[in-house]
Amino acid sequence: AQSVAQPEDQVNVAEGNPLTVKCTYSVSGNPYLFWYVQYPNRGLQFLLKYITGDNLVKGSYGFEAEFNKSQTSFHLKKPSALVSDSALYFCAVRDPGGGADGLTFGKGTHLIIQP
Amino acid sequence: NAGVMQNPRHLVRRRGQEARLRCSPMKGHSHVYWYRQLPEEGLKFMVYLQKENIIDESGMPKERFSAEFPKEGPSILRIQQVVRGDSAAYFCASSVTDGSNQPQHFGDGTRLSIL
Repeated sequence: AQSVAQPEDQVNVAEGNPLTVKCTYSVSGNPYLFWYVQYPNRGLQFLLKYITGDNLVKGSYGFEAEFNKSQTSFHLKKPSALVSDSALYFCAVRDPGGGADGLTFGKGTHLIIQP
Repeated sequence: NAGVMQNPRHLVRRRGQEARLRCSPMKGHSHVYWYRQLPEEGLKFMVYLQKENIIDESGMPKERFSAEFPKEGPSILRIQQVVRGDSAAYFCASSVTDGSNQPQHFGDGTRLSIL
């Protein structure tokens, strides 16, 4: 069975500083990995994905994520945080080799950017 | 708005009543996924449908829940004889193909409250 862990319920970062939101995963094969962001009372917005190729993936709004197979991690990063980045972030995995067709999500990390 | 449309945004039902949640996928998308989000938790996959077919319902409760995606019209998630534990946000997502590397695009959800 596939699973995702987001070890931090909340991350606090000062505006202008770099941010990292952590994600680790477990799948039986090679994973497809995704990051989504959710604003209050809204659905999830797709940020970026890793399927294959370059381990550093660039996405929307200046976010990027690094796939690390040996550490089974896919941490979300941004060089300089904005107050508007404050939201709930979800990491998700899909095992193309089997399992449910839906995405498996982590519990989410609240990102708070302080002015 | 060419995005995934869900209605109603909020739905209140009394215990024992039926809840019907509707989802219109993005234009050109024929693959629909339903997820449930409980407070302070990530999304849990429920069911994956294509037009007139249920492809994967491994996340659906065995009783009271059903889903359909008819040839014409929106996808419907139906919950019969609702109970307090059904209170949650229900999200629909769509994708253009069934490729597991394709991002899913989410609607803003239906927030179901059971009195």
